[in-house]
Formats: sequence, C-alpha cells, structure tokens
Amino acid sequence: GDSVTQMEGPVTLSEEAFLTINCTYTATGYPSLFWYVQYPGEGLQLLLKATKADDKGSNKGFEATYRKETTSFHLEKGSVQVSDSAVYFCALREAGNQFYFGTGTSLTVIP
Amino acid sequence: DVKVTQSSRYLVKRTGEKVFLECVQDMDHENMFWYRQDPGLGLRLIYFSYDVKMKEKGDIPEGYSVSREKKERFSLILESASTNQTSMYLCASRRPTGGGNGYTFGSGTRLTVV
Repeated sequence: GDSVTQMEGPVTLSEEAFLTINCTYTATGYPSLFWYVQYPGEGLQLLLKATKADDKGSNKGFEATYRKETTSFHLEKGSVQVSDSAVYFCALREAGNQFYFGTGTSLTVIP
Repeated sequence: DVKVTQSSRYLVKRTGEKVFLECVQDMDHENMFWYRQDPGLGLRLIYFSYDVKMKEKGDIPEGYSVSREKKERFSLILESASTNQTSMYLCASRRPTGGGNGYTFGSGTRLTVV
C-alpha cells in the first residue's frame, strides 16, 4: 500500500543554516505530494505541493522537487529562521481521496 | 478567509464519559476527515466522510463513531472515553476532485481523559 517515510527528528539548526528534510514515498500510481507545517499549538497548514514528476513546489523560501526516479520529495530551505521552528509533515495523495502522512520531523532553529 | 473550525482547543473529560468533538467548515467541501496525532506516530486516520450521511472507517476507528448530518459539520464521538484516547484530534476537509487539492486543517482539539 501507499506510505510515506520521512527522516526522524528532532532537527536543531542555527539561524541561517541550510535545511534538508528527507521524504520518500511508496505508491502504486502517480501521487500528488505535499509538505505540511504545524506551528506550536496549531493545526497543519499546507506549505507546498507538486502534482507530477519533476514539478517543484515552493513557498516561503522552502522548495521540494518531485523525483519519480528516486520516489522522493525532499524539503529544502537555504537559510532557516527562528520562525521556521515547527513540525513538518510529508504527505501523498493518490487516486482515492485519502492522504498518507509521514510521522513528522520536528525542527528547532536557534538564534 | 476559508476555515475549518474545531469547537474546542482544549478538553478534559473523565473516563467513561461520552465526548463530542465538533468540526465545521465554510468551504462547501464534500470530504471531511478526523485524525488523531500522537508523538512518534504522526497522523492516523480515524474516520472520514465523502458526503452528507456517509461515513467510512479509517485506520483506527475502534472506540469512535462519527456523524455527518449536514455538509458543513462532521462530529467525532467517543462513546465511552478512555485514557488511551488522550490525544490531539485534527479535523480536515477538501474538495474531492483534482489530485492537487490539499487538506485544510482545523487548529486541533487537545483532549485529555483522566
């Protein structure tokens, strides 16, 4: 069945460091891929998405490229800020309406 | 601004109580979902609904039921709360068509069962 695997945290970075959070997926067809972010005490918010191979999703300085050959959708940001501290979830949606989420990666950015 | 609203941010209930978690969306979405979020386990799907009066079991439906009498409202019911149902509960909705349609989530309800 469909599944998402993302790197375990927690991740702690200094401000302005480069961020990568790895995400790989298993799917039988051609899923859409998403990154969601959850700030402390809040629900999840859509950060970015990509609907087909080689698409790049981007938002707020974050980017992720849909790599079909490696079944990956790694999240990157060139220079993190303290305000980026949150939990990040990778997710996929295939033919049905259900989403499959990774277990989340907690990021803490220190000044 | 489109919204998914969960009626309570924090709830404390006693073991054995019947608990209702309410979720309302103003986006005319057909699909609605209930997840629970626990440390190290991520989000697990409890129940979902593709339309009014419809409901489908997710991955962990035991101990829960749902009600969808109106399109905008999707209620999660704990028939007899237990301590292992202490968790963060997240409601989400989306339009069914289009693979790129993401979820819109509510802010969550943190339930503690004592």
